[in-house]
Amino acid sequence: GQNIDQPTEMTATEGAIVQINCTYQTSGFNGLFWYQQHAGEAPTFLSYNVLDGLEEKGRFSSFLSRSKGYSYLLLKELQMKDSASYLCAAGGYQKVTFGTGTKLQVIP
Amino acid sequence: GAVVSQHPSRVICKSGTSVKIECRSLDFQATTMFWYRQFPKQSLMLMATSNEGSKATYEQGVEKDKFLINHASLTLSTLTVTSAHPEDSSFYICSAPPGPDTEAFFGQGTRLTVV
Repeated sequence: GQNIDQPTEMTATEGAIVQINCTYQTSGFNGLFWYQQHAGEAPTFLSYNVLDGLEEKGRFSSFLSRSKGYSYLLLKELQMKDSASYLCAAGGYQKVTFGTGTKLQVIP
Repeated sequence: GAVVSQHPSRVICKSGTSVKIECRSLDFQATTMFWYRQFPKQSLMLMATSNEGSKATYEQGVEKDKFLINHASLTLSTLTVTSAHPEDSSFYICSAPPGPDTEAFFGQGTRLTVV
């Protein structure tokens, strides 16, 4: 079966750092995706981890531990525009399953 | 990156009518397309997977006679919501599956409102 867990909501302060965790149990796992989604819009791609470890891309970093079924998305130097839902997704070519999403609110 | 074009972006229809949503891969060939539905404040739920040249694969609980999926060519997949009802009002979105080193490319999404 497919099971992906992430916190429902988080609040953080502008300029700060926030870490959004995701645990997963899926069949046919190839990699772990993170997407950002603003209300009413399509998701936009942030990162894709296939191998264990940390991948950094500007203000955003993503970590994966395949043995633990665990990932996190790290957002640095938070900006107001980072307020959005962040979707953790696991799978591969055959199927991609999304978590419920974490709604992040950035406050001044 | 690859582009998936989805139309229409918004549609309002009367209860009992049918609505067709198209997804086109503009600069690549897609033998498979995922179709998702997203209700307000919820995540993307996979409805079905369309396959070029063969029948679509539906997720458990999704009525295949109500949500008709056709993968007519390597660049076009369509979802038809038949006999739409207000409870079908949702955000429908397609995506090409990820590759070994690439993400899943999403269409722009379709906001369906059934009145």
